[in-house]
Amino acid sequence: EAGVAQSPRYKIIEKRQSVAFWCNPISGHATLYWYQQILGQGPKLLIQFQNNGVVDDSQLPKDRFSAERLKGVDSTLKIQPAKLEDSAVYLCASSFGGNYNEQFFGPGTRLTVL
Amino acid sequence: GENVEQHPSTLSVQEGDSAVIKCTYSDSASNYFPWYKQELGKRPQLIIDIRSNVGEKKDQRIAVTLNKTAKHFSLHITETQPEDSAVYFCAASTGAGSYQLTFGKGTKLSVIP
Repeated sequence: EAGVAQSPRYKIIEKRQSVAFWCNPISGHATLYWYQQILGQGPKLLIQFQNNGVVDDSQLPKDRFSAERLKGVDSTLKIQPAKLEDSAVYLCASSFGGNYNEQFFGPGTRLTVL
Repeated sequence: GENVEQHPSTLSVQEGDSAVIKCTYSDSASNYFPWYKQELGKRPQLIIDIRSNVGEKKDQRIAVTLNKTAKHFSLHITETQPEDSAVYFCAASTGAGSYQLTFGKGTKLSVIP
């Protein structure tokens, strides 16, 4: 089966600029997650969608980050304006649903904010 | 919320030796514990997981043990090979409707040929 797709793979921007990341989950997966992985740390959940509804966005810095999953399939994560500390890999993951379902990760987008 | 501590942060072993990585969690409601392997520049991939109703699970050279009373779980890799070199992450999930994973900070395993 096709895996989770993400684009772009790399992005370099200046601070205060905007950036958007795109994720296409595995077909049929109802649950979609966005994680932030800072160098040397484990992934940290930013937001979780169930179909096109938000389940949890408690760790999303809502003053600058936004995410949507229109039609319950693809998702976009946006940062506006970016700060230096936003430099990280942004991972998208999807799962069929339910607690015991494996989360499949995409290749990630490496963001560098200068 | 859940907090997962992982030790050690780095681990070097000789090829053929065993490696053990330990994690503790804080939320007694957590009931699902996956382990992910992340090679340099690649995505995390699930290598093994364990549910709270099981104390141990094995898959070839990999095993995971869970002690719910002590709230800790461990990954055991036997007969290590150079291709086992990677960063390993433990995670915990309460499954309380949101199925979120809280990850440890990772262990960089180096297998020396």
